[in-house]
Amino acid sequence: AQSVTQLGSHVSVSEGALVLLRCNYSSSVPPYLFWYVQYPNQGLQLLLKYTSAATLVKGINGFEAEFKKSETSFHLTKPSAHMSDAAEYFCAVSPDSSYKLIFGSGTRLLVRP
Amino acid sequence: DSGVTQTPKHLITATGQRVTLRCSPRSGDLSVYWYQQSLDQGLQFLIQYYNGEERAKGNILERFSAQQFPDLHSELNLSSLELGDSALYFCASSRRGAPGYGYTFGSGTRLTVV
Repeated sequence: AQSVTQLGSHVSVSEGALVLLRCNYSSSVPPYLFWYVQYPNQGLQLLLKYTSAATLVKGINGFEAEFKKSETSFHLTKPSAHMSDAAEYFCAVSPDSSYKLIFGSGTRLLVRP
Repeated sequence: DSGVTQTPKHLITATGQRVTLRCSPRSGDLSVYWYQQSLDQGLQFLIQYYNGEERAKGNILERFSAQQFPDLHSELNLSSLELGDSALYFCASSRRGAPGYGYTFGSGTRLTVV
């Protein structure tokens, strides 16, 4: 079965520092991969998605993620954290033969001034 | 505003009751997905409809049911409510049946069962 593992339920960085949120997936075939962000009391917003085109995917708000098949990873990065990036981030995978998204458990990003 | 409208935003009800959550998808989207978000279970896929027909089913309890109407809005019915059903319920929509195109989520309905 497809699954997604997000390492670290909480990540804390200083404003201006690199943001790295880790996501590993299990899939027997190349999947669709997504990163979503959830701000407090809001729904989930799509940050970026990988659909077997370019392995480096650029998203909104300066985020990007790199698909590495050999490592079954899809880590999310941002060169310089901003206070407004504080939120919960979810990695998700869509199995090739299904239509649902399977979400990781989420990583809460804290940005210190 | 994501374009996906969920009502009501908050709902407080007693155990044993029945509630209906409503979702209007983004204009042009044919597919509607329902998810439950709770602290202990995380985000769980419940059910998907595509153009009025059930497409996929996830961890949806038998006490829960859903449907998508001809105007493409969807309703999630929760009955015989238990304390453990308290959660955020999200609706999402996508342009076609496959989520490779990405979902658009509504802001959710927070259900509290007392």
